[in-house]
Amino acid sequence: EAGVAQSPRYKIIEKRQSVAFWCNPISGHATLYWYQQILGQGPKLLIQFQNNGVVDDSQLPKDRFSAERLKGVDSTLKIQPAKLEDSAVYLCASSFGLPSVYEQYFGPGTRLTVT
Amino acid sequence: QKEVEQNSGPLSVPEGAIASLNCTYSDRGSQSFFWYRQYSGKSPELIMSIYSNGDKEDGRFTAQLNKASQYVSLLIRDSQPSDSATYLCAVPNFGNEKLTFGTGTRLTIIP
Repeated sequence: EAGVAQSPRYKIIEKRQSVAFWCNPISGHATLYWYQQILGQGPKLLIQFQNNGVVDDSQLPKDRFSAERLKGVDSTLKIQPAKLEDSAVYLCASSFGLPSVYEQYFGPGTRLTVT
Repeated sequence: QKEVEQNSGPLSVPEGAIASLNCTYSDRGSQSFFWYRQYSGKSPELIMSIYSNGDKEDGRFTAQLNKASQYVSLLIRDSQPSDSATYLCAVPNFGNEKLTFGTGTRLTIIP
């Protein structure tokens, strides 16, 4: 079974530029998550989708971050404009859903550096 | 008070010894608890889940849960150099499906 796919793996941009990340979850997984992990910290949930609907985006900085999950499969996360403090690893995870919603499988992540 | 707290470490343990990792949480309504392992430069990987008070064993790993004390721990027996990683404790928020992670404990197994 293929795992969660993410691209790109690395991205370097200047502040105020825009960037987009892509995620393809494990086939059949209804729930998709985007996390931000700053060095030395645990992952912080940015947004959670159930199929193509948003379940939780309370910690998503909506003035600069946006995300969508068209057709309930692939998802993209965009940052526009980027700030220095956005430098982090962006992790996508997916889960089958109830009752195993907490058994999340992570992709390899995208390491973003904002200069 | 942080929702999920862990000692950041680093925790150094000799090869073959028992490594003990601890986690406390603030939400008394939490019903399930998870341990993820994260190797340097890699993504988190689920290694243990525990739902009931007491111990749960899986190979060299034992998770211990004490809901009254709001405390969950992970024991690694016969520690191997390959166990060197950061271990993240994760707890769902009661009432929703949001998973809150601790900052992680960095474990180093010394050969």
